[in-house]
Amino acid sequence: KNEVEQSPQNLTAQEGEFITINCSYSVGISALHWLQQHPGGGIVSLFMLSSGKKKHGRLIATINIQEKHSSLHITASHPRDSAVYICAVRITGGGSNYKLTFGKGTLLTVNP
Amino acid sequence: DGGITQSPKYLFRKEGQNVTLSCEQNLNHDAMYWYRQDPGQGLRLIYYSQIVNDFQKGDIAEGYSVSREKKESFPLTVTSAQKNPTAFYLCASTPEVGHYYGYTFGSGTRLTVV
Repeated sequence: KNEVEQSPQNLTAQEGEFITINCSYSVGISALHWLQQHPGGGIVSLFMLSSGKKKHGRLIATINIQEKHSSLHITASHPRDSAVYICAVRITGGGSNYKLTFGKGTLLTVNP
Repeated sequence: DGGITQSPKYLFRKEGQNVTLSCEQNLNHDAMYWYRQDPGQGLRLIYYSQIVNDFQKGDIAEGYSVSREKKESFPLTVTSAQKNPTAFYLCASTPEVGHYYGYTFGSGTRLTVV
């Protein structure tokens, strides 16, 4: 069983729609990252969360530590938001606090 | 602008040949990492380095080697011992290992072994 699960695996939306991508994890963590990977392959860090909520432009990320769950929301989606969104966690303890454990990603396609 | 440069973007090699992937950063970061990405799987850690002249194996180090002779550079060699080397390779860095900083990623190298 993967320690980090994302849903959905694939998501297709129409421009302007509100989008939610979910991430659940089964281990104790010190931080959770949301990353964006464009078709060329490069990855951009969107958010790093350890509690609560963060907002940047049309992107909002929330985390519930007790429920071991995080969501990434995109408001007023646009075709340029089309990318793979990846959730990654930094697991606590065992000397592994340097390492990220990644979900498999959610492929988002936003149609005009 | 500071960032990570990976080169080349695409690399083709014949089976049995060693190949070295370049990763250079001008962020003055202490820690650097190599990850491998395969279709349908999450990124997996190959090697990481906390400081010059030191590096540690990650989860899938077999068939790979690294060096860290300069703070800015962390090249990865894919050796002929790596059973399935065709993949997308990403280099990343953080100011220090174990601190709560965000990661900076390179744009990746897609390696195809034929």
